[in-house]
Amino acid sequence: AQTVTQSQPEMSVQEAETVTLSCTYDTSESDYYLFWYKQPPSRQMILVIRQEAYKQQNATENRFSVNFQKAAKSFSLKISDSQLGDAAMYFCAYRSAVQYDMRFGAGTRLTVKP
Amino acid sequence: NAGVTQTPKFRILKIGQSMTLQCTQDMNHNYMYWYRQDPGMGLKLIYYSVGAGITDKGEVPNGYNVSRSTTEDFPLRLELAAPSQTSVYFCASSYSRDRDRRQGYTFGSGTRLTVV
Repeated sequence: AQTVTQSQPEMSVQEAETVTLSCTYDTSESDYYLFWYKQPPSRQMILVIRQEAYKQQNATENRFSVNFQKAAKSFSLKISDSQLGDAAMYFCAYRSAVQYDMRFGAGTRLTVKP
Repeated sequence: NAGVTQTPKFRILKIGQSMTLQCTQDMNHNYMYWYRQDPGMGLKLIYYSVGAGITDKGEVPNGYNVSRSTTEDFPLRLELAAPSQTSVYFCASSYSRDRDRRQGYTFGSGTRLTVV
């Protein structure tokens, strides 16, 4: 079964600085999707960015970008110019192209210091 | 444009009581899911459904039941509530077709359940 590992339970960053959240996953499949979700104190799960495994180019959404290393099974999230509103729990998730569900990591709690 | 609607948002149950968490979606998604979120554990799949009348167990199904009589609704039933079921519960839905799986899930706003 696929597993997703987030090795950093907590991270902190200074406002306007850059932070990278780590994620590794274990799979024998070649076709899959990877996601980063943000969960602010409101509890709502918000999709931040996604990556298709067959695409070599790293996804970017404004201040958020990923470093996708397929061979190393690594999928890190970089947040540039961090803002106070970025403070949240961040979940990395894996979705197989053939199975029904999505697997989540344990999460990384990001604190942004003013 | 409601998306996925979950009710209630909060609930306190006594040990041994039962309740149903409601989930409805208006996006005509075939796939629906129930997850529970515990601190430091991420989200664990309880049950899922790939269409009306079809449900299956996830990683942590014990103590729960589901039904899917319509495409829109996927209620989660807790029978004989136990303190171990204290958690935050999320309902989610998604497209089923391969090319749409890249969209990920649409989540409900969650239910915080406390069993005392």
